[in-house]
Amino acid sequence: DTGVSQDPRHKITKRGQNVTFRCDPISEHNRLYWYRQTLGQGPEFLTYFQNEAQLEKSRLLSDRFSAERPKGSFSTLEIQRTEQGDSAMYLCASSFEGNYGYTFGSGTRLTVV
Amino acid sequence: GENVEQHPSTLSVQEGDSAVIKCTYSDSASNYFPWYKQELGKGPQLIIDIRSNVGEKKDQRIAVTLNKTAKHFSLHITETQPEDSAVYFCAAIGGFQKLVFGTGTRLLVSP
Repeated sequence: DTGVSQDPRHKITKRGQNVTFRCDPISEHNRLYWYRQTLGQGPEFLTYFQNEAQLEKSRLLSDRFSAERPKGSFSTLEIQRTEQGDSAMYLCASSFEGNYGYTFGSGTRLTVV
Repeated sequence: GENVEQHPSTLSVQEGDSAVIKCTYSDSASNYFPWYKQELGKGPQLIIDIRSNVGEKKDQRIAVTLNKTAKHFSLHITETQPEDSAVYFCAAIGGFQKLVFGTGTRLLVSP
């Protein structure tokens, strides 16, 4: 296992289009997190899963955003009707339940033009 | 909810000098405080962490101190090297296992 993988690394899309990102966590980790990071800021929490259950969503996650983790393994984050304000780095992380150490992926950089 | 403040936003040192980054947190229930290093184009990488039952932890050239009473914690890097140049983030976890990050410190180590 080489860590947390995210795909794609970069995505450029036109405003109004839908985009989907994928995250493959460390296989032994049952918790998976999505964060968003804008330039010059720290990562901001979006949502997290324990196994396949989505346990918490930030108010940053508008109804245009949806995340799934269908079998408790990989996760997808979809953004519908993208806006320029959605341009950011989307980071995925995973951890064991009860172990606070997060391992982050390299992120997906989204640019909405 | 938890709020984490981090200072300074930028820090320039000469190679071999020490660097100190400070953070404060608001939630007295927070009990885990990791530090991450982020290089350009990469995700944050955990470099050291401390739990609330410990006041200090050291790993080679890096150390973290925690003052629970004052609700602040600090990262200390000694004998800095150019490869230490990066953005450093502090973070804290409160009630739910959800990391809240500071705004980051850009460290530049000049040869």
